[in-house]
Amino acid sequence: AQRVTQPEKLLSVFKGAPVELKCNYSYSGSPELFWYVQYSRQRLQLLLRHISRESIKGFTADLNKGETSFHLKKPFAQEEDSAMYYCALNTGNQFYFGTGTSLTVIP
Amino acid sequence: DTGVSQDPRHKITKRGQNVTFRCDPISEHNRLYWYRQTLGQGPEFLTYFQNEAQLEKSRLLSDRFSAERPKGSFSTLEIQRTEQGDSAMYLCASSLAGLLNSPLHFGNGTRLTVT
Repeated sequence: AQRVTQPEKLLSVFKGAPVELKCNYSYSGSPELFWYVQYSRQRLQLLLRHISRESIKGFTADLNKGETSFHLKKPFAQEEDSAMYYCALNTGNQFYFGTGTSLTVIP
Repeated sequence: DTGVSQDPRHKITKRGQNVTFRCDPISEHNRLYWYRQTLGQGPEFLTYFQNEAQLEKSRLLSDRFSAERPKGSFSTLEIQRTEQGDSAMYLCASSLAGLLNSPLHFGNGTRLTVT
């Protein structure tokens, strides 16, 4: 069955420190993976997608099919990165979301 | 077009009443999704449409729930005989089917409180 796991519900880091938000997935097909972010009182919005291999707001994520992971990383966290982050798997018809990680960047 | 819009933003209703939510997707998007989100959880899939056809429904969508997208544009989600367990954020999203890696674009959601 398809599943997305985000093991950390809460994550706190100091400003300027590296941050990694973990995401593991379970899917027998070819995965399409995304990271979504939700800032306080705003809608869910796309942060990045694995296929474009882009860096958005300093965040990157690499798809590791061997480890079935799509961890989100940023070398130097900023206060404005504090938000809820969701990893999502698209199987073609449905998007499956993890339970999210709340990131707090401490000044 | 400023994105996906949902109406109302908040709805408070008494148990047993019916409620209806509306979603207007991004105009060129042919897929429309409904999700539900409760505290501490990620969005949970309810149903989706491609144009006017409802292609898939989750087991979460009991008989009290019905969704329509009559002209392939806006969609409505109705909950009949609401229960306290229906209290949640109901999210609508749209995307463009057929485009590789097409992401979901979300609305602000409708927060339902059943008292």
